[in-house]
Amino acid sequence: QKEVEQDPGPLSVPEGAIVSLNCTYSNSAFQYFMWYRQYSRKGPELLMYTYSSGNKEDGRFTAQVDKSSKYISLFIRDSQPSDSATYLCAMTGTASKLTFGTGTRLQVTL
Amino acid sequence: DADVTQTPRNRITKTGKRIMLECSQTKGHDRMYWYRQDPGLGLRLIYYSFDVKDINKGEISDGYSVSRQAQAKFSLSLESAIPNQTALYFCATSDPDRDENIQYFGAGTRLSVL
Repeated sequence: QKEVEQDPGPLSVPEGAIVSLNCTYSNSAFQYFMWYRQYSRKGPELLMYTYSSGNKEDGRFTAQVDKSSKYISLFIRDSQPSDSATYLCAMTGTASKLTFGTGTRLQVTL
Repeated sequence: DADVTQTPRNRITKTGKRIMLECSQTKGHDRMYWYRQDPGLGLRLIYYSFDVKDINKGEISDGYSVSRQAQAKFSLSLESAIPNQTALYFCATSDPDRDENIQYFGAGTRLSVL
């Protein structure tokens, strides 16, 4: 079993929809949780960063962490075609070694 | 100009050839990383370096070697390339003085081994 599980998609939604992306993990030592966005032919770029359990909001994006369930989510409100990308969850406990999910490919259609 | 630059962006090579992928950064970060990305497998760590004299193996280092020539440069070599090393390769950096967990990625090198 992988340490981090992420549904690969692809996920196709109409413009304006609310998108929910999720990852589950098995390592209780993970404390820092990130979401990276990767556009086609580009490197991943950090989108959201949270520590421990709770919610964090940034514009149309909300990251949630539930450590008791070992489950993290990224919500995108009012999705736009420019949100079409692959979203990677990542997490770590210590020493800056990240463990990544496999990524979910999102397509937002007009 | 990009803060983390990878060269070449694309490379096609033959089985058994030696190849070097290069990464340079202008962010002034001490920590540098090499990953490969494969469909269905995500990003996997090959090697990482916390400074010029500190180089460590990641989860999939077999068949690869690295060189940290300076704080700003970190190269990945495939001594004898094989087809299952066909993948997208990324270099990343992080700054332990600010937040060691935030990594900044280059645009990637797409490598095909025939």
